[in-house]
Amino acid sequence: AQSVTQPDIHITVSEGASLELRCNYSYGATPYLFWYVQSPGQGLQLLLKYFSGDTLVQGIKGFEAEFKRSQSSFNLRKPSVHWSDAAEYFCAVVLLYTGGFKTIFGAGTRLFVKA
Amino acid sequence: DTAVSQTPKYLVTQMGNDKSIKCEQNLGHDTMYWYKQDSKKFLKIMFSYNNKELIINETVPNRFSPKSPDKAHLNLHINSLELGDSAVYFCASSQSLGQNYGYTFGSGTRLTVV
Repeated sequence: AQSVTQPDIHITVSEGASLELRCNYSYGATPYLFWYVQSPGQGLQLLLKYFSGDTLVQGIKGFEAEFKRSQSSFNLRKPSVHWSDAAEYFCAVVLLYTGGFKTIFGAGTRLFVKA
Repeated sequence: DTAVSQTPKYLVTQMGNDKSIKCEQNLGHDTMYWYKQDSKKFLKIMFSYNNKELIINETVPNRFSPKSPDKAHLNLHINSLELGDSAVYFCASSQSLGQNYGYTFGSGTRLTVV
């Protein structure tokens, strides 16, 4: 079945340390992939997206993600985490179905940042 | 200027009641969505509308009825509320139906059924 998996339910990193959040997808065709961030009590905000071309994409707030077809992965990275990055992060894939397209979200990874 | 606004932000109601959640976007987008986020943060699409036309209707109880009076508004009416309906409901919009458009989300409506 077509899906997106975020293996880590939660991750804790120290402020200033680097971050990598994992995302794996299962989709037959070239996927359209997204990362969103959800701060407490807020809606989701789009961080970045990948359709084609350069496999390393830059997003807002200093985030980047790399698409690796061979590993079916689209991991999110940040070189130096700030306390304000503590939030829930969602990977998403857009699937083609009979009526058009729909976005499927992963279960999310909660990021904790320690001082 | 809030891009996607939902009202109310919080809604506490008793089982069996009927309630509505309203959503408006001022982005000029063609497509709007309702998502349900459960207590484990899992997001599940419920409905999507494109230019007031229903496009996606997932397996949702027919107690849930969306209405789109125009492409800037998508409301959600829920009849005979049940305890299991307690969740955060998010409205979202995208420029169009295409797969390369990301979503802009509202800040959510936390529904608690007691």
